[in-house]
Amino acid sequence: EAGVTQFPSHSVIEKGQTVTLRCDPISGHDNLYWYRRVMGKEIKFLLHFVKESKQDESGMPNNRFLAERTGGTYSTLKVQPAELEDSGVYFCASSQEGRLPYEQYFGPGTRLTVT
Amino acid sequence: KNQVEQSPQSLIILEGKNCTLQCNYTVSPFSNLRWYKQDTGRGPVSLTIMTFSENTKSNGRYTATLDADTKQSSLHITASQLSDSASYICVVSSPYNTDKLIFGTGTRLQVFP
Repeated sequence: EAGVTQFPSHSVIEKGQTVTLRCDPISGHDNLYWYRRVMGKEIKFLLHFVKESKQDESGMPNNRFLAERTGGTYSTLKVQPAELEDSGVYFCASSQEGRLPYEQYFGPGTRLTVT
Repeated sequence: KNQVEQSPQSLIILEGKNCTLQCNYTVSPFSNLRWYKQDTGRGPVSLTIMTFSENTKSNGRYTATLDADTKQSSLHITASQLSDSASYICVVSSPYNTDKLIFGTGTRLQVFP
């Protein structure tokens, strides 16, 4: 079974540009999460989808970040316009509905560098 | 102040030795505590998940303990191997939102031959 995949693995963009990150969860997983780690800090929650609906987006830093999950399959996270402080590693995770606590499976992350 | 504190920040041990990593959390109420292993350039991989009613959980050479009264957890690694070199992250969630994981900053473990 394929794990969570993320694309691209690395992205270097200039301040003010737009970047779109993609996450493909494990097939059949209704829950999809985005997290990020900025330099020297802990990984922090951004948002949680259940199928195509946003269950919790309390961790989204501001309105320059837009997450979508059309059809309840893959998800995209768009940053527009990017700022220097957006640099970090963005992780996606997925989990299956079932008995709590849900095991969250993480992708390898996308390293974003804004220059 | 972080809700999940880990110590030490980094640790170097020789192959075959045991080690114990510590985690203190302030998340309250508390639902479950997880330990993840993260290799360089990879995503975190779950080692153990414990609910508030459990006080120990093992996964091979990894044994996690939990004291919900003192809000402390430890991860003990037995007979370390070179492949244990990684970051170990303590993660907590509350019953109000068990999906929203709260991460510690991790302990960077290096195992040398």
